[in-house]
Amino acid sequence: DAMVIQNPRYQVTQFGKPVTLSCSQTLNHNVMYWYQQKSSQAPKLLFHYYDKDFNNEADTPDNFQSRRPNTSFCFLDIRSPGLGDAAMYLCATSRGAGVAETQYFGPGTRLLVL
Amino acid sequence: GQNIDQPTEMTATEGAIVQINCTYQTSGFNGLFWYQQHAGEAPTFLSYNVLDGLEEKGRFSSFLSRSKGYSYLLLKELQMKDSASYLCAVKDSNYQLIWGAGTKLIIKP
Repeated sequence: DAMVIQNPRYQVTQFGKPVTLSCSQTLNHNVMYWYQQKSSQAPKLLFHYYDKDFNNEADTPDNFQSRRPNTSFCFLDIRSPGLGDAAMYLCATSRGAGVAETQYFGPGTRLLVL
Repeated sequence: GQNIDQPTEMTATEGAIVQINCTYQTSGFNGLFWYQQHAGEAPTFLSYNVLDGLEEKGRFSSFLSRSKGYSYLLLKELQMKDSASYLCAVKDSNYQLIWGAGTKLIIKP
């Protein structure tokens, strides 16, 4: 089945210790997104790529970086995680960015910062 | 600013019908999405409306009124597995999704 895969599902890191979250997709979609979602809040868009064209949301902290080495993979790097970065990180894809294009989500990575 | 409003929480009884409302104020409108999100899991797509009216898909229906900036998700014949959060999201003039915080639906036997 075509899908969006995120690894790991749960990640524990220490305050200030860099961490990388990964996402892969077999849908062959052009657009990939990274969202941060805290409990009972709306997902917050951090980055998105249209193909290799990188788009950084204006209020995404510099502590967050992203890489998309090819169509299938995308990574989220948190350079120095703080306690406030503990959240669910969701990767999503869409075929395009147009009107009716639906975003499909991976299962998410829950990050815990100690 | 852009804003999506949904009730924080609703409770309904198994077998009943529930309507979850969403009002929006966005810079432009390119469609409205409803997603279901079970606790600790990722959102899954339920429906998309871009024209006024009702879209029916099995036990779930979604309604849109663009002039009123209003949508609702109607769930019929509620089952315990429908206990989840339901998120409303609007695609704005820049094709960005603006998300609501979600409505937590609690189903009681």
